Amino acid sequence: AQTVTQSQPEMSVQEAETVTLSCTYDTSESNYYLFWYKQPPSRQMILVIRQEAYKQQNATENRFSVNFQKAAKSFSLKISDSQLGDTAMYFCASQHQGGSEKLVFGKGTKLTVNP
Amino acid sequence: SAVISQKPSRDICQRGTSLTIQCQVDSQVTMMFWYRQQPGQSLTLIATANQGSEATYESGFVIDKFPISRPNLTFSTLTVSNMSPEDSSIYLCSVEPSGRNIQYFGAGTRLSVL
Repeated sequence: AQTVTQSQPEMSVQEAETVTLSCTYDTSESNYYLFWYKQPPSRQMILVIRQEAYKQQNATENRFSVNFQKAAKSFSLKISDSQLGDTAMYFCASQHQGGSEKLVFGKGTKLTVNP
Repeated sequence: SAVISQKPSRDICQRGTSLTIQCQVDSQVTMMFWYRQQPGQSLTLIATANQGSEATYESGFVIDKFPISRPNLTFSTLTVSNMSPEDSSIYLCSVEPSGRNIQYFGAGTRLSVL
């Protein structure tokens, strides 16, 4: 079974600053993927970043990067130069490798970027 | 990526009625997924819909309550049957294009049951 835990229900950051969202997970599989999705008030789920568990290098996408600690089963998201448009719910998710497997989501972190 | 159109975007329904939600994709995909997001909660998978076969339901979800159709590789419907206020949620469909290992989501249907 997979579980994903996000321990920060809410966070806030000032515009242009950096914030880190935490996520831990548990899985019995050796091959899996990890994701961060963003859900703004429009409720559209938007993929932020993806990490393949077999890759040691941390994934980056522009201002978004992850700190993937496989042994600790930790997968945090760092947002640099925060922008007002980053205000949203952020969900961490895991997926077993194999193609077309379900996503298991954490409870989410509500991030507010203040001007 | 994939472009997903989900209809309706929102609806208000009476207790005891049924609502069918449509999900249309701009490319052929093998698997489509239906998730439920209860108010203030995370997403939970309802079922996986594979074209040409019966949908596979997660524990706690049954076909009589959430019948799914998958008539072709670009379209699926989810019906919420005999609704009660507890069914008030956002329902989202997602697809995973072959070989991508990334799921793309529709904009969701916000359902309120009175």
